[in-house]
Amino acid sequence: EIVLTQSPGTLSLSPGERATLSCRASHSVSTNYLAWYQQKPGQAPRLLIYDASSRATGIPDRFSGSGSGTEFTLTITRLEPEDSAVYYCQQYGMSPRTFGQGTKVQIK
Amino acid sequence: EVQLVQSGAEVKKPGESLKISCKGSGYSFSTYWIGWVRQMPEKGLEWVGITYPGDSDTRYSPSFQGQVTISADRSITTAYLQWSSLKASDTAMYYCAKLSRSGSTWSPFDAWGQGTLVTVSS
Repeated sequence: EIVLTQSPGTLSLSPGERATLSCRASHSVSTNYLAWYQQKPGQAPRLLIYDASSRATGIPDRFSGSGSGTEFTLTITRLEPEDSAVYYCQQYGMSPRTFGQGTKVQIK
Repeated sequence: EVQLVQSGAEVKKPGESLKISCKGSGYSFSTYWIGWVRQMPEKGLEWVGITYPGDSDTRYSPSFQGQVTISADRSITTAYLQWSSLKASDTAMYYCAKLSRSGSTWSPFDAWGQGTLVTVSS
């Protein structure tokens, strides 16, 4: 099983700043099959990024993904108040599919 | 527009059985894998398993194998998650979600239901 470790646990930033979220895999993620999701309180998760760096439909270009192998990053430029949420990475390149434990982004 | 609409919240006692549902619309239900994700109170997301409505092929996370049953009825475009004997530790929000690539399990979840809260308490 691939274990995904996200860091930091919580990120507290001001509007307009840049957020950098990390997702580290215990084994190489096949074909960079890694996704990022955003979950706001009381809502279902929403797909942001797939295949490590492709934005899902309707996702603003402030959100970008990068990385390969075992190290992946979600970057949110120009933070907005509505970006306050928990962000999860997920690998779908190996069974069982697994999620990271999440990073909470707080907007000051 | 793709929509996944889940059944309502449930309150059950330990040992009872339960089947929750997820109705898909706006896409070719039979040709996309659809699955379930568990979120225990104040915790993260856990991948439960997926099923392919076209042929009923089903895959489970080892953590959930034997604990739940996933199925789908393509005639009414509905997926199910069921338990034969609930435990208090099954208390959680359960989301259904569809995979993004037709016919492929190598996909993220690109559409999600609103969630079904299952509470198991004596």
